[in-house]
Amino acid sequence: AQTVTQSQPEMSVQEAETVTLSCTYDTSENNYYLFWYKQPPSRQMILVIRQEAYKQQNATENRFSVNFQKAAKSFSLKISDSQLGDTAMYFCAFTYTGTASKLTFGTGTRLQVTL
Amino acid sequence: DGGITQSPKYLFRKEGQNVTLSCEQNLNHDAMYWYRQDPGQGLRLIYYSQIVNDFQKGDIAEGYSVSREKKESFPLTVTSAQKNPTAFYLCASSIGTSREQYFGPGTRLTVT
Repeated sequence: AQTVTQSQPEMSVQEAETVTLSCTYDTSENNYYLFWYKQPPSRQMILVIRQEAYKQQNATENRFSVNFQKAAKSFSLKISDSQLGDTAMYFCAFTYTGTASKLTFGTGTRLQVTL
Repeated sequence: DGGITQSPKYLFRKEGQNVTLSCEQNLNHDAMYWYRQDPGQGLRLIYYSQIVNDFQKGDIAEGYSVSREKKESFPLTVTSAQKNPTAFYLCASSIGTSREQYFGPGTRLTVT
């Protein structure tokens, strides 16, 4: 079974600074997807970024980028130029590319962006 | 305007009553999911459906039931057998399984 671990329950960053959220996962599969989701106070889950395991290039979406280390089973999220609107819970999630797969979520990291 | 809708946003019920949470999507997605989120925890999968008239149990299906009669709709019934039904419930959909999921705004269910 897959497990996803987020070891930082809470983090804080000042506006305009950069912050990195950690995620590790455990799987015996070789083909899978990894995601970061954001859950602001409204509690709407928003997809931030996705990474296919077969791609060596790290995914980037505007101020959000990942550091995907397949051998180490690590998938960290870097937020550059942090904004107040980035304040949210961030969840790392995993799914393998099977026909009946489902997302496995980590327990989340609460990020507070301060002035 | 494509998306996933869940209604109502807040729901209150008395213990012992069944309650049905609505989830509708107009994204033409085949797969739909129900998750439960408790305070300080991640999401746990209740049920999912890959196609119409078919669904599978997730990790915490006991005390819940679903139906998938239409592609657009995946209602969740919280039965009186669910021991701790008070939680935040999220519905999601995806083009297929193993792909990114898109979420509705959620329903906060309180049972007293």
